[in-house]
Amino acid sequence: AQSVTQLGSHVSVSEGALVLLRCNYSSSVPPYLFWYVQYPNQGLQLLLKYTTGATLVKGINGFEAEFKKSETSFHLTKPSAHMSDAAEYFCAVRRPMDMGRRALTFGSGTRLQVQP
Amino acid sequence: GAVVSQHPSWVICKSGTSVKIECRSLDFQATTMFWYRQFPKQSLMLMATSNEGSKATYEQGVEKDKFLINHASLTLSTLTVTSAHPEDSSFYICSARDPGGNEQFFGPGTRLTVL
Repeated sequence: AQSVTQLGSHVSVSEGALVLLRCNYSSSVPPYLFWYVQYPNQGLQLLLKYTTGATLVKGINGFEAEFKKSETSFHLTKPSAHMSDAAEYFCAVRRPMDMGRRALTFGSGTRLQVQP
Repeated sequence: GAVVSQHPSWVICKSGTSVKIECRSLDFQATTMFWYRQFPKQSLMLMATSNEGSKATYEQGVEKDKFLINHASLTLSTLTVTSAHPEDSSFYICSARDPGGNEQFFGPGTRLTVL
């Protein structure tokens, strides 16, 4: 079984400040990891994903995340927050052998607020 | 990227009625689609996996007779909430797997409100 823990249900930063959203996972095998963003009353949009290879993954809108196996973490960062980054962010995991057949397991989500 | 649509985007119905939600993959064929439910300020919870041409696989605790899933074609899956009650009010999101890759693409969601 696999699980995802997102520390902090709410994160508030000032515009221009560093964004750090935390995600830790539990999996019996090295998983594939994803970050999604959800704007109010909308579906999910993929920000970035890690499957294999380079552990630092760059995504859309200036976000990036680093897979750290030793820490079982996949934290999401952005150097400078923008007002438009305010949204709900979900970390998700899936076992490589399950790709396509099984759904994702999502964390509880972190709501990012950006203060002017 | 691939596009998944849902219809309707929102629906309000009376208690006891049935509501059908459609999920379509617009530019690819999806042998597998997933249905999630999201309550306010909570994460997405998988309800069922919809497989084209076969019965859906439901997650534990999800009533298959209440949440009817039909995946009759490679581009369409439907979720019917039968005899809806206020506690069924939620945001329902579908996703579809692109057979050419390893990614899931999410629909925009359907907000169901049962009065």
